[in-house]
Amino acid sequence: ETGVTQTPRHLVMGMTNKKSLKCEQHLGHNAMYWYKQSAKKPLELMFVYSLEERVENNSVPSRFSPECPNSSHLFLHLHTLQPEDSALYLCASSRDSGQSSYNSPLHFGNGTRLTVT
Amino acid sequence: AQSVTQLGSHVSVSEGALVLLRCNYSSSVPPYLFWYVQYPNQGLQLLLKYTTGATLVKGINGFEAEFKKSETSFHLTKPSAHMSDAAEYFCAVTRISSGSARQLTFGSGTQLTVLP
Repeated sequence: ETGVTQTPRHLVMGMTNKKSLKCEQHLGHNAMYWYKQSAKKPLELMFVYSLEERVENNSVPSRFSPECPNSSHLFLHLHTLQPEDSALYLCASSRDSGQSSYNSPLHFGNGTRLTVT
Repeated sequence: AQSVTQLGSHVSVSEGALVLLRCNYSSSVPPYLFWYVQYPNQGLQLLLKYTTGATLVKGINGFEAEFKKSETSFHLTKPSAHMSDAAEYFCAVTRISSGSARQLTFGSGTQLTVLP
């Protein structure tokens, strides 16, 4: 039990499908993150929510749409994806006050392995 | 701006041998530094962190790292490798001025293989 749970663990979808990734944290954190992990590349921060408000969007294509209905849940809605979007998508959470949050590092889920065909 | 360079995308050691994973950072302001580990089919887990104070930092599973400002390095070591240490290791840096995980920059990772 990592404290951050992601579902599904694996997802295969066609380019015309619509699907959603779900993340839930039970750590009482107030910030949640989506990262993309591709082979041989550094982790890419996609979105950050702090206190349920999106505070970061790193030039992510609009075919990825995040949703944070409350501080414990985070979704990533997917539509019209491309094969190059195949990757491991990691959710993370932290206690984030914007500053001095170094004592609250990121807690990651186990990820969703996405394959776009 | 800040960046992290991990020298060697793959490192192999024999069981019982010293583990040394290299990390160099670039930051225009004093950094916070982290090492994360990723076991197969899992997310990243914090191994250790340097914020302020003692430059030699001890983490979980017998790992430690030393912050060397003059060398802009934060290398990860373990005296004796165990088979269970086989995983991918990520160095990360963030700015003291923000301290926020939002500003965390990760290296490309080093895959550690432990040979019997």
